[in-house]
Amino acid sequence: GEDVEQSLFLSVREGDSSVINCTYTDSSSTYLYWYKQEPGAGLQLLTYIFSNMDMKQDQRLTVLLNKKDKHLSLRIADTQTGDSAIYFCAPQAGNMLTFGGGTRLMVKP
Amino acid sequence: DAGITQSPRHKVTETGTPVTLRCHQTENHRYMYWYRQDPGHGLRLIHYSYGVKDTDKGEVSDGYSVSRSKTEDFLLTLESATSSQTSVYFCAISREPGYSYEQYFGPGTRLTVT
Repeated sequence: GEDVEQSLFLSVREGDSSVINCTYTDSSSTYLYWYKQEPGAGLQLLTYIFSNMDMKQDQRLTVLLNKKDKHLSLRIADTQTGDSAIYFCAPQAGNMLTFGGGTRLMVKP
Repeated sequence: DAGITQSPRHKVTETGTPVTLRCHQTENHRYMYWYRQDPGHGLRLIHYSYGVKDTDKGEVSDGYSVSRSKTEDFLLTLESATSSQTSVYFCAISREPGYSYEQYFGPGTRLTVT
């Protein structure tokens, strides 16, 4: 099955950019999703990218996909304290999503 | 927000007792999923359903069963709860898929087995 790896923790200062990385193993992944989870809540879909794209921008969010290296990243511009949360990447292969372990983003004022 | 509710939101139960968690959707989506979330493991798929009475196993299905008798309801049953099933359980839904299977999540149920 698919393996999805993320670093556990990222700390940034308010106003800086954050970059959260994800590597995956299944080259047949079609869509790749980013979810956000705030404390005590469910997962919220942030954005996704189709596998034939290199980049997708959505307001402060930029998703980069390197299909050759099976590497996905999420950049958050002008990071705010409200962005503090756990971020999950989830590649889709077939009709299933496989979730990484999540990256906890801490934003310092 | 997608119309997904889970009940109960919190439950404490004893080892060996049966437990049923309910997921209810108002979106009329075909696909429904049950995941568990544990520290260091992200979300792992327990079971999913692709229609009324149509279900299949996920990655961590041992000790769990599911039923879907109506489009809007998906039940997860722990026949005899064990301490290893202490976790946060999330339900998710996705629409009739074209190519993408983006999933929308409920608020979660925190289950503690003592």
